[in-house]
Parts: sequence; C-alpha cells; structure tokens
Amino acid sequence: AQSVTQLDSHVSVSEGTPVLLRCNYSSSYSPSLFWYVQHPNKGLQLLLKYTSAATLVKGINGFEAEFKKSETSFHLTKPSAHMSDAAEYFCVVTFYNQGGKLIFGQGTELSVKP
Amino acid sequence: NAGVTQTPKFQVLKTGQSMTLQCAQDMNHNSMYWYRQDPGMGLRLIYYSASEGTTDKGEVPNGYNVSRLNKREFSLRLESAAPSQTSVYFCASSEFSGLGTDTQYFGPGTRLTVL
Repeated sequence: AQSVTQLDSHVSVSEGTPVLLRCNYSSSYSPSLFWYVQHPNKGLQLLLKYTSAATLVKGINGFEAEFKKSETSFHLTKPSAHMSDAAEYFCVVTFYNQGGKLIFGQGTELSVKP
Repeated sequence: NAGVTQTPKFQVLKTGQSMTLQCAQDMNHNSMYWYRQDPGMGLRLIYYSASEGTTDKGEVPNGYNVSRLNKREFSLRLESAAPSQTSVYFCASSEFSGLGTDTQYFGPGTRLTVL
C-alpha cells in the first residue's frame, strides 16, 4: 500500500536555529513528493516539489528537501528558522498512475520560539 | 487572478440539514478536488474530477455528492448532515497533465460545524 508518514507531530525550535521536518513514504512506484505549508486558518501553499529531476529541491522562503530513494525519505530543512515559519507542514506523495490524487501525511506543527 | 475561491467560509448546520459548498477556479485547470481536514489526520480526498464531465470517489465519499458544473466550478453537497461531517473542507485544482507531477492549488477552506 502507498502511504506517507511524518515522523513528528510537533517540532519546536528557537528563532535562528535549523529546522528539520521528517517524512518517509512507502511505495513500490516512483513517487512525486511535495511539501505544503498551512498557516493558521489559511489554505495550503506549496513549498516545493520533487518530480524525478534533481534530488535536492529548493523551495520558497529558504526551505529545501532532499529525496533519498534508498531511505524512502523526503525530509524538509531550513538553515535558520524565522518566527513567520510557525505553521503546519504536510508531506504529500502522488504517483503517475493515481490520476493526480494526493496522499497526505498527518502533518507536523512547527513552533518557533523567540 | 483569484485562484481557487470557496463559499461559504463558515457554516453551522443542524443534523439532517442539507447544504452545498461551492468552489470555483480561474486558472483554466482541468482537475478539481474536494478534501476534508480533521485534527491529526492530514487531508483526505472526498471526491475528485479529473476533467469536465467526470467525477470519481476518493478515500471518504460516504455522505457526500459532487457536481462538476463546468470547467470552473465544482460543488460538494451534503444531503443529510451528520456531526461526523464537522470538519474543514478544502477545494483544490490542478492542470492534470497525467504525469502525477501537477501542483494542486488550494482554496481558503470552509469551516463546517454540524450540531
């Protein structure tokens, strides 16, 4: 079965320190992978996506993620957290034979302390 | 461009009442989707429409119906609302290239409470 797991439901960091949000997927097919961010009471916004080109993907607001096929992972990182990064982050996977349907992880809430 | 718009933003229903959630996109996208978001469960797909004139069930379709009115509009109907349908509902759209790489663009959501 195809699935995606976000390993932490909540991550707390101090402003200016690195951010790591972990995501693993399970599938026998080659995936397309996305990270979306949701600020409180808002819709979802795409941060970045991997579609079988470069394994290190750069997104908006200084975020990046690395696709590691051997580890079936797609962890999201940022070198230095900003207060405005506080939000919920979703790792999402889809496959070419899924008609565009997305499979969402459970979400990771990121808190940023001053 | 407004992107994806949803109406209403908030709604309170009594058990058994019906209502329709409206969604429209102005990006000329082929595919549209309805999701519900519940705490700790991410987003789950209710129904989707890969192209105008087609609709298919997603992961949690029970209790819902949809209509793809035209290329721009995709509505979600609750015929007899139940407390278990209390949730935040999101509409999304994408180009649908068939490659599985399309970005989905989300609306701002509708917060529905069923008493």
